Amino acid sequence: LAKTTQPISMDSYEGQEVNITCSHNNIATNDYITWYQQFPSQGPRFIIQGYKTKVTNEVASLFIPADRKSSTLSLPRVSLSDTAVYYCLVGDDRDDKIIFGKGTRLHILP
Amino acid sequence: EPEVTQTPSHQVTQMGQEVILRCVPISNHLYFYWYRQILGQKVEFLVSFYNNEISEKSEIFDDQFSVERPDGSNFTLKIRSTKLEDSAMYFCASSEGNTGELFFGEGSRLTVL
Repeated sequence: LAKTTQPISMDSYEGQEVNITCSHNNIATNDYITWYQQFPSQGPRFIIQGYKTKVTNEVASLFIPADRKSSTLSLPRVSLSDTAVYYCLVGDDRDDKIIFGKGTRLHILP
Repeated sequence: EPEVTQTPSHQVTQMGQEVILRCVPISNHLYFYWYRQILGQKVEFLVSFYNNEISEKSEIFDDQFSVERPDGSNFTLKIRSTKLEDSAMYFCASSEGNTGELFFGEGSRLTVL
């Protein structure tokens, strides 16, 4: 399983765009990249998943460069309610052991 | 929107007692998981379950733990003899396929005294 590295924490302000970058230097050809969000005392929630280039949904965008050794989760115009831990995961469809790292603790300030 | 439901939301037990945590996965999902999260720490994988058998388990998932899908809808985690260090939030998750898109329940908080 590819190991991921993310910043431990980030602060931002309401209304700003927030970009959280995840490094996964040894990503394998069949691996996809998945991001989850976790609020305190709740289970993680799937945000977005991609394999290459750019993916966008109603919540976020995911940017993946051509070498796929990193990915960036972009949250547009954050609000206080986006304060959470964000996890980057890498794996393929043969992985039944889906491992969460320490994640990035995002704190949105008013 | 379909969701994963877990019961109980909170259970307090004495050390050495058996505990069963219950989960109802989303109905058309085929892959099931248990995770735990000790307060302030990361989400830890315990076990995955597919086709009525364990497909992967972590080193945490020792002989004290077992999982079962007794009736085609419930998915249970049993801890045979609880220890103080089993105190944690336990999350059940399910997925339709093996795509990495897991749907998590709200969790069951276990407190072992």
